[in-house]
Amino acid sequence: AQKITQTQPGMFVQEKEAVTLDCTYDTSDPSYGLFWYKQPSSGEMIFLIYQGSYDQQNATEGRYSLNFQKARKSANLVISASQLGDSAMYFCAMRGPKDGGYQKVTFGTGTKLQVIP
Amino acid sequence: GAVVSQHPSWVICKSGTSVKIECRSLDFQATTMFWYRQFPKQSLMLMATSNEGSKATYEQGVEKDKFLINHASLTLSTLTVTSAHPEDSSFYICSASRLPGLAGATGTQYFGPGTRLLVL
Repeated sequence: AQKITQTQPGMFVQEKEAVTLDCTYDTSDPSYGLFWYKQPSSGEMIFLIYQGSYDQQNATEGRYSLNFQKARKSANLVISASQLGDSAMYFCAMRGPKDGGYQKVTFGTGTKLQVIP
Repeated sequence: GAVVSQHPSWVICKSGTSVKIECRSLDFQATTMFWYRQFPKQSLMLMATSNEGSKATYEQGVEKDKFLINHASLTLSTLTVTSAHPEDSSFYICSASRLPGLAGATGTQYFGPGTRLLVL
């Protein structure tokens, strides 16, 4: 069974500072994918970044980077130069192996980030 | 891009009526679409997974006769909440993932904007 753990229910960060959102996962399958999504108060889920289990390098997308530590089973999201618009819920998720033809994604409980001016 | 639309964004209905929610992938073909439910301040709960042209696979505890899913084409899936009751009030959000086998396919799910359902 897959499990995603986000231990920080809420985080504050000063505008223009960097912030790290924690995510640990558990799986017995060697092939998996890790995602981070942002959910503003409007409700939409915005895809931020993806890391494959076999990727050698940490994924980066603009101000977002994923600190992938495979041995520790952690996939922390780093947001650099925080902006007020970054205030939102952030969900870590993991795609597991195909199960009956489908690749399900398991979501963590989320971290609410608030950027302070 | 990978844009998914969802309609309607808001629904208020009386108890006992049925509500249909549409999910469309606008600029890509989606082999698989997913339907989630989210309660306030909670994470997403997968309700069902559907492939085009086949029956949906429902998660344990989700009533398939209550939540009817039709995946008519590679760009459209619908969720019908039949005989809705106040306890069905929630935020429903769909997602779609691209056809497998494409270069760079990662299984990323792209989400619609969600539908807020309020049953009176």
